[in-house]
Amino acid sequence: TQLLEQSPQFLSIQEGENLTVYCNSSSVFSSLQWYRQEPGEGPVLLVTVVTGGEVKKLKRLTFQFGDARKDSSLHITAAQPGDTGLYLCAGGLSSGSARQLTFGSGTQLTVLP
Amino acid sequence: SQTIHQWPATLVQPVGSPLSLECTVEGTSNPNLYWYRQAAGRGLQLLFYSVGIGQISSEVPQNLSASRPQDRQFILSSKKLLLSDSGFYLCARYSRTGSEAFFGQGTRLTVV
Repeated sequence: TQLLEQSPQFLSIQEGENLTVYCNSSSVFSSLQWYRQEPGEGPVLLVTVVTGGEVKKLKRLTFQFGDARKDSSLHITAAQPGDTGLYLCAGGLSSGSARQLTFGSGTQLTVLP
Repeated sequence: SQTIHQWPATLVQPVGSPLSLECTVEGTSNPNLYWYRQAAGRGLQLLFYSVGIGQISSEVPQNLSASRPQDRQFILSSKKLLLSDSGFYLCARYSRTGSEAFFGQGTRLTVV
């Protein structure tokens, strides 16, 4: 069974601060995605990374895939209240099985104005 | 565009009552479809997935069942709800490569 552990589980910061959340596994993934979920809604895909060491930027969000493709980080610069939400990572396998994504337990981020 | 519809958005049901949650997908054919359950503020537990009409794979044995009567329709059911069935239920389809998931708006089920 592939497990993805996210840390921290909860994070509360002031507007303007920087933060990093982590997604770690002992398994190698062919791809890794980050999603953001707001209360009462489904998760929304933010980014997919597929190459070890890959870095992608989405405005103030920077995503990195570990060299060994076992871990990833999400860094937010100058956080805003609109960044508040549950951040989920998910790892994809290339086995061809329809059951291909494993989701992490999530990081609940609260950005205070 | 490809859209996933789920209904109802919220549901309050008594213990022992039946359940039927429906998910329909627009804009794509023969999608792989998934039912997840999510506890408050936590990760997603995969319940069922389907690669085609009439094909259901169960990930967690429990009080629920799923059916896929049509290519773009995926239904989650129960004959008798338990208190522990309360949660946020999400329907999803995967991209063609299986590397990304796209979710519906979810159904908040409260069993009382």
